Parts: sequence; C-alpha cells; structure tokens
Amino acid sequence: DTEVTQTPKHLVMGMTNKKSLKCEQHMGHRAMYWYKQKAKKPPELMFVYSYEKLSINESVPSRFSPECPNSSLLNLHLHALQPEDSALYLCASSLRRIGYEQYFGPGTRLTVT
Amino acid sequence: AQSVSQHNHHVILSEAASLELGCNYSYGGTVNLFWYVQYPGQHLQLLLKYFSGDPLVKGIKGFEAEFIKSKFSFNLRKPSVQWSDTAEYFCAVIRQYGNKLVFGAGTILRVKS
Repeated sequence: DTEVTQTPKHLVMGMTNKKSLKCEQHMGHRAMYWYKQKAKKPPELMFVYSYEKLSINESVPSRFSPECPNSSLLNLHLHALQPEDSALYLCASSLRRIGYEQYFGPGTRLTVT
Repeated sequence: AQSVSQHNHHVILSEAASLELGCNYSYGGTVNLFWYVQYPGQHLQLLLKYFSGDPLVKGIKGFEAEFIKSKFSFNLRKPSVQWSDTAEYFCAVIRQYGNKLVFGAGTILRVKS
C-alpha cells in the first residue's frame, strides 16, 4: 500500500479564518513533507519532518504552521492567509528523509477569499 | 543551488509515436533521480527512479529512462505512446544524502487518438 491520504479535498477560507489540513500515511515512513503547487508549476517544498521533528522550513511565512503529532500524521495549520496562498497543498512521505523516493497524496485545493 | 530543467513544456504526439522527454540537472555530486507523472485530476505518481547501477531503468507502464552522468541528464522514453499517457511529467532530483527534492518545471504531454 503506497497511499498517502489528505483531508479535506477542497477548502475555502477567509483571510481571518483558522483551518487545518491533515495528511496520513500507514506505510511506516519516517519522513513527511508539505509542498505547495500553484497552477502549471511544479511542487515547491515547504516543510520536512523527519522522525516527527521539523528538519526543514523553506522560509515559509509563519501563517503556515506544521505539526507532526506522530509518525503517521502530519498537519498544516493555517491562519490569516492571503489570497496568493491559494494553491494545491500536497503532502508526501518517504521511508527516510535522505534520498528516498517520495509518495504523494492527492492534495488539498485551498482557496483564500 | 541545484536546479532541474526540462526541455519541452508542451509535447503533442499521435498514438504509437515514440516519446523522449529531456531532463538535465545542475548538481555535480551524486544524485538520485526520479520521474513523476500527474494524470489529469490525479495525484503525483512515481514513474521510475534511479539510485545507482544500470543507468537504464525501467518503470511502470512501459516507460524507461537513461541516466547519462557525463551529460547530467535523465531522459524519459517510451517506444509507443497511448492516449492514456496524456499527463504532466516531472523530472526530480535529490542529492544522494540530501533532503530536498527539486522538481523540473514539468512537461505536458498530449497524445492524440
């Protein structure tokens, strides 16, 4: 099973709202990732968690707050977003952090109004 | 910083035509290489990967890729495309002991039936 699941599939939020995106995998992977993908662009790395610890933050604004409660779950908390944050947010996981192939979820389509 | 370039942004082929999508990367050290595919409305899927060994790697659905170290290239090929191969294809590179997967801009392939 190489499945990464993400909820919700779609999310519309206002600029003052607080919402969370959820990602889950049961492959025993110990690295999990958040990416942002704008239309017609490749995914851009946001955060990397390795063994439940944040190991990379690609200079992401603080209005995005990641959390890794356990090795299977990854959350992305959203607060005071801007319209330009509208994008597809992808979660991925890999066996280990270093060099391994990543498996992607279907993404959450976020629209900020 | 490493970068990945894909030569063609849009490719249109007729069914049964042969496919070759170019990918070049800039990093001089040892890298792991991937091709991902994103079918319309679906999530990113791993097509094939290269870590070491035989530079000609075979992936799913009849795709293969050849790693040419001297040219910093990892081109994707398929002898005979089908309408169902219509998708966006991303080349991605990560340093062998690195922690950041870098994607190319993607190539949109349309196969005419």
